[in-house]
Formats: sequence, C-alpha cells, structure tokens
Amino acid sequence: DAGVTQSPTHLIKTRGQQVTLRCSPKSGHDTVSWYQQALGQGPQFIFQYYEEEERQRGNFPDRFSGHQFPNYSSELNVNALLLGDSALYLCASSPPGGGKETQYFGPGTRLLVL
Amino acid sequence: GDSVTQMEGPVTLSEEAFLTINCTYTATGYPSLFWYVQYPGEGLQLLLKATKADDKGSNKGFEATYRKETTSFHLEKGSVQVSDSAVYFCALKSGGSNYKLTFGKGTLLTVNP
Repeated sequence: DAGVTQSPTHLIKTRGQQVTLRCSPKSGHDTVSWYQQALGQGPQFIFQYYEEEERQRGNFPDRFSGHQFPNYSSELNVNALLLGDSALYLCASSPPGGGKETQYFGPGTRLLVL
Repeated sequence: GDSVTQMEGPVTLSEEAFLTINCTYTATGYPSLFWYVQYPGEGLQLLLKATKADDKGSNKGFEATYRKETTSFHLEKGSVQVSDSAVYFCALKSGGSNYKLTFGKGTLLTVNP
C-alpha cells in the first residue's frame, strides 16, 4: 500500500517565477493538507482540500493556491516566488471521517528560490 | 488560538539513557495530541497519538500521556538507541471546524553510542 507521494523531490526556482507541487494521497484517503516547513521550524498549515474545495486556510497570502482533483490528488501553486518561500513543502492526507482523523505525511518537496 | 510549546533542544544523550521531551499546549475544546518524528532529509512520520484525557499513546518504546489538568503531552522513552536520533514534533488538532495540525518548533535529539 503506497503512502503519500509527492513530486518533485527537489526544485530550484528564481524570484518571481511560479511553481506547482503535486501530491497523491494514501489509498482510501479523501482529504489533503499542505504545510510549509522552514529550516529549523515546525510545519505551518497552508490549507486543506476536501471534496475538491478549500476547507480551511492558514495565514498565507493569495500567492499560494491549490486544487484537488476528483481522484483526491492535489496541487499546490505558488506565484511570484520570494526568497522566503524557500522551504520544505509537506503534503498530508487523512481518511474520511468527522475531522479528528490522523494526518499522514509525504516525504516533501524541497523548494529553493534564488 | 491553538499553540504548542516544546522544550528547547538540542538534546544529546548516551545510548540506553532515559528520554523526556516536554510538550505543553493551549487549545480550544478537547484536542487530539500527536508526536511526529522527522529523520534527516525525510518527511514526518506519526510516532504516537492520544485523542482524549488520560489516554496513553505508545509506539516503538515511546510513550506519552494526555494530561488535561496540566495541558501536557510529554514524550518519554526508557532506553534510547542511536537510531532514535531525529527531530521530534509535538502537535495538536482541536477538531470541530478546525482541521489543521498546529506544531511545536521541534526538538532535535542526538543519541551517541
């Protein structure tokens, strides 16, 4: 049973560019959350997708947007990249239920903005 | 709002030593509590969880008890191994209409042989 998968594993971009990161949830999971982890910090919640809609959003600007597809996979898009967007981006999936379900994380995509 | 405070690291121990990493929280309602572990260059792995007061989560020799009266969820292990070297994150999920995980800053543990 494959776990959460993310692509690409590493990415280098320059300031002002746009990036798209991808995530496939664990089998049987229908909810995808995205987190940003800066070096030496804990992950910060960006947003969560459920039923192809953004269900909750953290304190991130509109440059961060996402999408969930009918097969539950998800994309994170970041426009107008800043140096401060350099981080590990983590995707987490969770199974159907009432909201207290455990989130399972993928290996992450490491983004470097130059 | 929700918040998690973990003991500052780094923590350096010798193999077979006793480990405690302190975690306290502030949350609305009755949160679920988690410990995640991150090995170098990897994503987060769930280590253990507890969903209500007085529950004890345990896995791989690690334990943590959900203490509502002290709003704490301290991680313990009786005898650490070199392979336990990693960053440990305490996290909470307050439920209801709040679906996000709120993490502490992490504690780096290094175990020397």
